[in-house]
Order: sequence, then C-alpha cells, then structure tokens
Amino acid sequence: TQLLEQSPQFLSIQEGENLTVYCNSSSVFSSLQWYRQEPGEGPVLLVTVVTGGEVKKLKRLTFQFGDARKDSSLHITAAQPGDTGLYLCAGRSVTGGGNKLTFGTGTQLKVEL
Amino acid sequence: KAGVTQTPRYLIKTRGQQVTLSCSPISGHRSVSWYQQTPGQGLQFLFEYFSETQRNKGNFPGRFSGRQFSNSRSEMNVSTLELGDSALYLCASSLVSGALTTGELFFGEGSRLTVL
Repeated sequence: TQLLEQSPQFLSIQEGENLTVYCNSSSVFSSLQWYRQEPGEGPVLLVTVVTGGEVKKLKRLTFQFGDARKDSSLHITAAQPGDTGLYLCAGRSVTGGGNKLTFGTGTQLKVEL
Repeated sequence: KAGVTQTPRYLIKTRGQQVTLSCSPISGHRSVSWYQQTPGQGLQFLFEYFSETQRNKGNFPGRFSGRQFSNSRSEMNVSTLELGDSALYLCASSLVSGALTTGELFFGEGSRLTVL
C-alpha cells in the first residue's frame, strides 16, 4: 500500500511569512499533483510534476519533485489570507492505474492578517 | 463550462439503510472517479469508471458499488450503511484515463453523508 505523509499537519502563520509543506513516501510515483481544498468545496489542482528534480513555480508558490520521485515540497512565499485552505499532495503509481490517486494526509494552512 | 455536479449535497441515513449518490461529469469527460474523505483517513480512492467500465477499484468492502451510464453520468451505492460510512463523498471527472496519465481531476463539491 502506498502512503503519502504530509507535514506539518496544521500550520497557522501571519500574512507575509514564508512556509514549506512536505509530502513524503517510501514509494516511487510516476507523477505527483498538489491540490488545494477550501471548506464546502472539492479539491482544485494547483500543479502536476512528473520528472524527478522538477521545480515548478506558480506566482508565489514553488513546487519541487524529489530526484527519486518519492517526495515533494510546496513552498509559499509571502503568504496571504487567500492562501488559507487544505493542501493535499496526490501521487499516481508507476504501475499505472489511470485516475487512481493516492492522497497525502493533508496540511491545513491558516494565514491571518 | 459547467463543473462536476453531485447530488444530493447532504443526506442523513440510519444504520442498515442504503444510499445512492449521483455525479454528472464535465461535458466530454469520460472518466469518473469516486473518493471518500473523512477526518481520520483523509481522501481515499473508491473506484474509477471509464466508458461505462470499472477501470480501478480501491480497498473498500463490497457494500460500496458504482456504475456509469452511456452519457458518462455515474452513481455510487452504499448498502447496509454503518456509522463509519459517514463521510464526504467526492466525485471527480477527467478527460483521459490512460495507464500513465498525468491528467487533472476536476472535483465536485461532494455529497456529505451522515449515518446515525
């Protein structure tokens, strides 16, 4: 069974601070995605990383896929209240599996003024 | 472009009853996946349907079943409900479902089931 552990589980910071969320596994994934979920809504895709060592930037968000494709990180620079939400990493198996994603345990982020 | 629509949004059932949840994917999407979200276990994959065929199945008991219709709409059914089935059930649609797809999943707002 593939597992994705996220840390920290909860994060409460002030506006303007930087933060990093980690997503770790002992399994290799063919690709990894990051989603954000807000209360009462379904998760929304932020990014997909496919190549080991890949780094993608989305405005103030920087995503990295580990060289061995077992882990990933999400770094937010100068967090804003609008960044508040549940951040989920999700991986696809190297053996295929279509849209069967293994989701991480989640990181609940709260950014206060 | 309309998003993924799930009905009902909220429902309350008692132990032993059964429930059917419905999902209408984004127009043109042929893949529909179902996930269960609980505070303790997070998001867990239930099953995926593509062109009316179950493509993948998660580690859930046989009480959980699903199907997909020719118009790509999907339903999931849970029979003999248990307290532990209380959860948010999320449906996600996708344009593709290849063996090594990296496609985006578009999620609905979910159906929140409470079992008393």
